[in-house]
Amino acid sequence: SQTIHQWPATLVQPVGSPLSLECTVEGTSNPNLYWYRQAAGRGLQLLFYSVGIGQISSEVPQNLSASRPQDRQFILSSKKLLLSDSGFYLCAWRPDRVAEAFFGQGTRLTVV
Amino acid sequence: AQSVTQLDSQVPVFEEAPVELRCNYSSSVSVYLFWYVQYPNQGLQLLLKYLSGSTLVKGINGFEAEFNKSQTSFHLRKPSVHISDTAEYFCAVGSFQKLVFGTGTRLLVSP
Repeated sequence: SQTIHQWPATLVQPVGSPLSLECTVEGTSNPNLYWYRQAAGRGLQLLFYSVGIGQISSEVPQNLSASRPQDRQFILSSKKLLLSDSGFYLCAWRPDRVAEAFFGQGTRLTVV
Repeated sequence: AQSVTQLDSQVPVFEEAPVELRCNYSSSVSVYLFWYVQYPNQGLQLLLKYLSGSTLVKGINGFEAEFNKSQTSFHLRKPSVHISDTAEYFCAVGSFQKLVFGTGTRLLVSP
């Protein structure tokens, strides 16, 4: 069976520090991978998606970047965090174009 | 481009009453439609999905949704809600690559 792992669950980082959130999927190959940010009143905002290794599409210009160094690994990064980067970050995967997304447990990021 | 509009940010309803949560979408390509639920302090769970075929789809927990292509809508309904249905509900539209969510509707069920 397929599983998705996302870590850490919570993170408190100072302004200006770097960020690296990791997501891995097991039990499947060539999944579509997604990073979302959930904020009150804004729902799930699609940040990045990837349909293959090294292929990253950005939806929202911002202080973040994403990378897919391996087929089932998706990383969300920042060189210097801003206060506005605080939020709940969710990783998700889809096995193919018609399927629903399966979500990780999320990371609560607080920038102080 | 794809987008999803959930006009109601919050819907209060009494227990055992019917409820409808509205969802409208826009897309230039054929899409697939989903409803997810997020209970307090939990992750997202799929309620139901429309891929093709019958426009009325049934999901878990007694929920159903109807796909209306002419009105580009995919409203979620339940004939009688329970206290335990209190949660946030998200409509989503998917294509080959992207999966875009709406801003969510908080369903508040009171006794």
